[in-house]
Amino acid sequence: EVQLLESGGGLVQPGGYLRLSCAASGFTFSSYAMSWVRQAPGKGLEWVSSITYSGDTTYYADSVKGRFTISRDNSKKTLYLQMNSLRAEDTAIYYCARDRYRNIVLVPAATTLFDYWGQGTLVTVSS
Amino acid sequence: DIQMTQSPSSLSASVGDRVTITCRASQGIRNDLGWYQQKPGNAPKRLIYAASSLQSGVPSRFSGSGSGTEFTLTISSLQPEDFATYYCLQHNSYPYTFGQGTKLEIK
Repeated sequence: EVQLLESGGGLVQPGGYLRLSCAASGFTFSSYAMSWVRQAPGKGLEWVSSITYSGDTTYYADSVKGRFTISRDNSKKTLYLQMNSLRAEDTAIYYCARDRYRNIVLVPAATTLFDYWGQGTLVTVSS
Repeated sequence: DIQMTQSPSSLSASVGDRVTITCRASQGIRNDLGWYQQKPGNAPKRLIYAASSLQSGVPSRFSGSGSGTEFTLTISSLQPEDFATYYCLQHNSYPYTFGQGTKLEIK
């Protein structure tokens, strides 16, 4: 059974930092790209960042570029999101989600893209 | 960036109704679109991928169609458990973008 479990959320002051983790199980973590998606209270979904299966390429929303860093440790089957210079507008539930398979010729990207999500971890930025 | 315009933003319907939700992309995205259902306090759940493929385990009353710039999610006969918020997502190019959401409420 595929499981994604986020942790690391909490209350932080503006300008502060947090590191989120997403522990994966039930699938070959090192074969899939991974992503973070967030949802501000009462608002819609916003894609935040993605990382390839090997970790060599990363992508970011403009709203977090230069402040957030996505990374992964395939030996630990864990995805990370380092969040620096946090702002009130970063307050949200942060979800990790499975993304495309490493070989999109073998498994088309759409087949696995965002098919599994974690339960989310709440980040609150407030003084 | 590709903008996804989802409509309507809210919809009131009754059990047994047929409902359709639309997403329009600001440029062609082939069939690189998924539909998600979210209930309060829960993570989103994928219903449709590649615009028209039904996710395993999802009831057949859900269907998706479209390609290029216009896409629809149809629920053929609403059930009580279908009242939720629905989102489309394009993954044709970064940044991935979601529609604004459609809140489906009981009439």
